[in-house]
Amino acid sequence: AQSVSQHNHHVILSEAASLELGCNYSYGGTVNLFWYVQYPGQHLQLLLKYFSGDPLVKGIKGFEAEFIKSKFSFNLRKPSVQWSDTAEYFCAVFAPGTGSQGNLIFGKGTKLSVKP
Amino acid sequence: NAGVTQTPKFQVLKTGQSMTLQCAQDMNHEYMSWYRQDPGMGLRLIHYSVGAGITDQGEVPNGYNVSRSTTEDFPLRLLSAAPSQTSVYFCASTLRGGAYNSPLHFGNGTRLTVT
Repeated sequence: AQSVSQHNHHVILSEAASLELGCNYSYGGTVNLFWYVQYPGQHLQLLLKYFSGDPLVKGIKGFEAEFIKSKFSFNLRKPSVQWSDTAEYFCAVFAPGTGSQGNLIFGKGTKLSVKP
Repeated sequence: NAGVTQTPKFQVLKTGQSMTLQCAQDMNHEYMSWYRQDPGMGLRLIHYSVGAGITDQGEVPNGYNVSRSTTEDFPLRLLSAAPSQTSVYFCASTLRGGAYNSPLHFGNGTRLTVT
C-alpha cells in the first residue's frame, strides 16, 4: 500500500528563517504529489501540486517544492517564513492506476510555528 | 458559490447515540469523500464516492455509513457513537477522483465529541 511520511511533527522557526519540510512516499511508479496547508481553525487548502514536467514547482504565498524521483521525495520550501505561515502542512500522494480509486493518501502533517 | 458546506460545525453526543453529518457541494463534483483528522494521525479516509449511487470504504470505515443519492449530497452517519469517534470530520470533493487537475475542496469541518 502507498504511504506518505512527513519527518517532522512540529517545526518552530523565527520570522525570516528558511523552511524545508520533508515528505517521502512509498510508491515506485508514476505519482501525483500535493502539499496542502491548514491555517488554525480552517480547512485544508491546496498550496501546490506536481503532475509532470519541471520537478521544481511553485505554489502560492512563495512556497515551492522539488520532486526528486530517485529519493521518492517532495520537500516543501520557503526562503523566508512569516508569522502568517503558522499552520499545519500536509503532503499527499496519488498513484494513478494502482486501484486506489482516485484517493489521495495524506501524511500525518507537520505543524509549523513561526515566532514573530 | 458556496463550495463544500458541512453541518453542524460542532456536536456533542453521548455514547450509543446516532447522528448524521451533512455535506453538500454546489460545484457538480463527481468525487466526494469523508476524512477524520486526529492529532498526530493526519487525515484518514473514511468513505468515498466516485458518483451518485456509488460508495466505497476508505481506510477507517468501521462505525460509519454513507450514501450518495444525489451528486450534491454525501451524508456521513454514525449509527452508535463511541468515544473513539471523537474527532474533526472533513468532507471534500473534486471534479473527478483520480484526476486532481482541480484541487480537492474541503468543507470547514465538524468537531464531534462523544462522551
